[in-house]
Amino acid sequence: QKEVEQNSGPLSVPEGAIASLNCTYSDRGSQSFFWYRQYSGKSPELIMFIYSNGDKEDGRFTAQLNKASQYVSLLIRDSQPSDSATYLCAVTGGAGGTSYGKLTFGQGTILTVHP
Amino acid sequence: DAGVTQSPTHLIKTRGQQVTLRCSPISGHKSVSWYQQVLGQGPQFIFQYYEKEERGRGNFPDRFSARQFPNYSSELNVNALLLGDSALYLCASSFGQGRDYGYTFGSGTRLTVV
Repeated sequence: QKEVEQNSGPLSVPEGAIASLNCTYSDRGSQSFFWYRQYSGKSPELIMFIYSNGDKEDGRFTAQLNKASQYVSLLIRDSQPSDSATYLCAVTGGAGGTSYGKLTFGQGTILTVHP
Repeated sequence: DAGVTQSPTHLIKTRGQQVTLRCSPISGHKSVSWYQQVLGQGPQFIFQYYEKEERGRGNFPDRFSARQFPNYSSELNVNALLLGDSALYLCASSFGQGRDYGYTFGSGTRLTVV
């Protein structure tokens, strides 16, 4: 079982729709959960992170965390063509909190928003 | 304010050579970590330094080494380069350790080994 798994892509949504990206993790002790956006040939850009159960909203983005189910998701409302990128889920803080600073990434989900 | 800066941007090396990659964190950030990203995969953790001490090491061979300087900048060294070391090398910095700190990446160094 991979440490961090993301829903297989690619994911294609029409402009203006809600894009839903999902991620599960295996280390139940993980503390912080990150979503990064990576455009082709560029480095990852932090969208947001969450560490408490529930929802966290930032503009068009909402991260949802369910530690009991070891599940984290990212919703993108009113998707735009400029949102087309690879989305990376990452976790840290497992192993009793000794692994802060080590981000474990999923393989990424490619999102395409078509006009 | 400057973000995380990495140098060089691109690098071409021959098998067996050695390479040094450099990273300057965001001002005030004390944690630096290094990642390797090959095409089509998520970044893989190599090292983390916090307050100039190694705090974590990923599953990479001893050919990979790193250090953090008193000004919190960092270097990643790779000896005896192999073709498989060709990748995008990323540096990320954070203010501290703990669940409520985010990690900002630099633009990366693209290493090609021929």
